[in-house]
Amino acid sequence: EDQVTQSPEALRLQEGESSSLNCSYTVSGLRGLFWYRQDPGKGPEFLFTLYSAGEEKEKERLKATLTKKESFLHITAPKPEDSATYLCAVQALQGGSEKLVFGKGTKLTVNP
Amino acid sequence: DTEVTQTPKHLVMGMTNKKSLKCEQHMGHRAMYWYKQKAKKPPELMFVYSYEKLSINESVPSRFSPECPNSSLLNLHLHALQPEDSALYLCASSQRTEETQYFGPGTRLLVL
Repeated sequence: EDQVTQSPEALRLQEGESSSLNCSYTVSGLRGLFWYRQDPGKGPEFLFTLYSAGEEKEKERLKATLTKKESFLHITAPKPEDSATYLCAVQALQGGSEKLVFGKGTKLTVNP
Repeated sequence: DTEVTQTPKHLVMGMTNKKSLKCEQHMGHRAMYWYKQKAKKPPELMFVYSYEKLSINESVPSRFSPECPNSSLLNLHLHALQPEDSALYLCASSQRTEETQYFGPGTRLLVL
């Protein structure tokens, strides 16, 4: 069964304290791994798509990396406005259809 | 531009009401999705339209009825909902079903 596990469930950082979020996955035939940021009561905001092991993408203070079994979202010198829930999802073929399988998310809080 | 719009932003309805949620995108995407999200949970797929045809129905109760009038519009018709249907309803779109999905801001639904 295709699964996505995110850790930790919640993370509290001080402003400027760098850290990483983890997304481990088991899927037969990875078609893509996606990172989204979601603020309370709003829709997920697309951050990155990764397709193959070794791939890396960066945007401002965020950097996403991918291996054959997991992805990391590295946050460098975070600011309070980076506080949000970060969702990881993998594109999987289930029952003959393409679907996104989401992890439960990591809630990040950055204190000033 | 990666904007998906949804109306209304908030909706309160009784269990005997009929209402509709609307979603629109002008990115030329040919796949559109409805998700349901409960508090502190990841989005849960409900329906997928690919080239204006329903391709996935995740065993959603018949009180939810999707409609795709054209390639830019997606509706979700609601009838005789239950209080447990209260949630954030998200629309998303992508070029094709295997590509990056972009989410709208959601409609917050409360069923009384």
